[in-house]
Amino acid sequence: AQTVTQSQPEMSVQEAETVTLSCTYDTSESDYYLFWYKQPPSRQMILVIRQEAYKQQNATENRFSVNFQKAAKSFSLKISDSQLGDAAMYFCAILDGNYQLIWGAGTKLIIKP
Amino acid sequence: EPEVTQTPSHQVTQMGQEVILRCVPISNHLYFYWYRQILGQKVEFLVSFYNNEISEKSEIFDDQFSVERPDGSNFTLKIRSTKLEDSAMYFCASRRTGDEGYTFGSGTRLTVV
Repeated sequence: AQTVTQSQPEMSVQEAETVTLSCTYDTSESDYYLFWYKQPPSRQMILVIRQEAYKQQNATENRFSVNFQKAAKSFSLKISDSQLGDAAMYFCAILDGNYQLIWGAGTKLIIKP
Repeated sequence: EPEVTQTPSHQVTQMGQEVILRCVPISNHLYFYWYRQILGQKVEFLVSFYNNEISEKSEIFDDQFSVERPDGSNFTLKIRSTKLEDSAMYFCASRRTGDEGYTFGSGTRLTVV
């Protein structure tokens, strides 16, 4: 069975600084997809970034980038130049062989002004 | 940008009543999903739907739950006899192909009293 672990229930960062949210996973698949979703207080689920496991290059979307370590099964999210609007729950997820998303427990990100 | 639309945003219902949660997926998407998130807990998969039938369902998705795509645009989740523990945020999601990220709706907050 696939699992996703987010070991940081809560992280805080000063506005304009950089923060890294960690995620590890377990899967027996050789090809899969990994995602980071953001859930602001409105509780909407917003896709932040996705990574295909067969691609070695780390995905980047503006201030958001990932450090994907396939051998270590690690998929951390780096947020540069943190902004107040980045405050949210962040969920790491893996797409399993049945095309279902398996979710981590989430990390609450607090931005200090 | 295309959106997945969910209505209502918040529904309060009495225990034992039937509720129908509605979703309009993105028009050219082929795969449809319902997830739920009990407050403070992980996002949980309920059911996936493709080609007008259920393709996968979780243990949570028991006989009290059903899904339908009656008219080719709406995708509904029905809970026949709600229980207090059905109180949660329910997310509808859709995707076009297997290797794309899901697009989530804004969610319906269901409160069973």
